[in-house]
Amino acid sequence: ELKVEQNPLFLSMQEGKNYTIYCNYSTTSDRLYWYRQDPGKSLESLFVLLSNGAVKQEGRLMASLDTKARLSTLHITAAVHDLSATYFCAVAPSISGTYKYIFGTGTRLKVLA
Amino acid sequence: NAGVMQNPRHLVRRRGQEARLRCSPMKGHSHVYWYRQLPEEGLKFMVYLQKENIIDESGMPKERFSAEFPKEGPSILRIQQVVRGDSAAYFCASSPQTDTDTQYFGPGTRLTVL
Repeated sequence: ELKVEQNPLFLSMQEGKNYTIYCNYSTTSDRLYWYRQDPGKSLESLFVLLSNGAVKQEGRLMASLDTKARLSTLHITAAVHDLSATYFCAVAPSISGTYKYIFGTGTRLKVLA
Repeated sequence: NAGVMQNPRHLVRRRGQEARLRCSPMKGHSHVYWYRQLPEEGLKFMVYLQKENIIDESGMPKERFSAEFPKEGPSILRIQQVVRGDSAAYFCASSPQTDTDTQYFGPGTRLTVL
């Protein structure tokens, strides 16, 4: 069974601190996505990672991909309250339909002032 | 460019009724995907459609669920004889010409079955 596991599931952190969210997946993949979801809202695309060693940064968020370890990380630098949301990683598998994104269960991040 | 549109945003149905969820993809997008999100879970793929064609419905329950994407108008996800277990958020996504492009998600329809 194709699985995507995220940890932690819940994360409460102080403003100004750094932390990393991990995403492990069990299948070969061409692409890995990170999305942000605010309560009651849609998913906002943050990053697309296409190859081993890919690193992308936007503001206080940086995502990386290690395809050999089947691991992606989302690193948060100097967190601010506005980053409070649920973060999902999603894998587009190389086989059985690259459009069938497989989502992790999400990491609910709360940044405390 | 308007994003993916879904309506209604919230839908309440009693057991046994029908639910119809609508999705209008982004302009220029011809690929539509439906996902279901149960409480405290990630999204799960249901079906992939192009205009007038169902490409992959492997994630759809075998009974009561159907989807279409007609030549004109929005894509429709239809759930007949709803049960409490159908309560979830249903998200539609669309992508441009190829199925390997990034999927852009709509705001979702939150279905509650009483």
